[in-house]
Amino acid sequence: QVQLVQSGAEVKKPGASVKVSCKASGYTFTGYYIHWVRQAPGQGLEWMGWINPNSGGTNFAQKFRGRVTMTRDTSISTAYMELSRLGSDDTAVYYCARSSTSLYSDYWGQGTLVTVSS
Amino acid sequence: IQLTQSPSSLSASVGDRVTITCRASQGISSYLAWYQQKPGKAPNLLIYAASTLQSGVPSRFSGSGSGTDFTLTISSLQPEDFATYYCQQLNYYPLTFGGGTKVEIK
Repeated sequence: QVQLVQSGAEVKKPGASVKVSCKASGYTFTGYYIHWVRQAPGQGLEWMGWINPNSGGTNFAQKFRGRVTMTRDTSISTAYMELSRLGSDDTAVYYCARSSTSLYSDYWGQGTLVTVSS
Repeated sequence: IQLTQSPSSLSASVGDRVTITCRASQGISSYLAWYQQKPGKAPNLLIYAASTLQSGVPSRFSGSGSGTDFTLTISSLQPEDFATYYCQQLNYYPLTFGGGTKVEIK
């Protein structure tokens, strides 16, 4: 069965970086995009971008350009999202999700809580 | 593209028919999805392409609309349907979500 398993919770200081992983199983990793979506406490969903694991190509929301890096390691079917220059407003649960080229996210990871606090 | 969901919350009883609307700030054809999210869990895809039911989703859920106005309908609310529902547009970058509609027990 399709599974996306994310890395554990992180606590970071303002100005630091965080790297979250998303390990895929149960399907051909290079056949689907991996999206990253975040959700601040008590708030709605915010799309950050996607990576095409086949080509490594990416598409980010303008808000995050220059601060986010999305990479993948096809040998272990894992995608990564790194966010730099963290501020308190980056405190959120970060989700990975897969989609076909249609972009509809049909499977999601369990989420990774990133807390930014001094 | 801004997506405005209404209402932001509603109270309903088991067996009620529930309708949630999502309005886009400009036309998005039928590139719209609906997700259900329960507390502490990841979103779950219910509807894609505005009206296509995702595999495994109960048939009491349905979606309609195109252009700027969309609706999600639950024909007979069940106890497991109490959750927050989000629409998402996929016609323009950045992909955007509506603000959510929380469905609570009356």
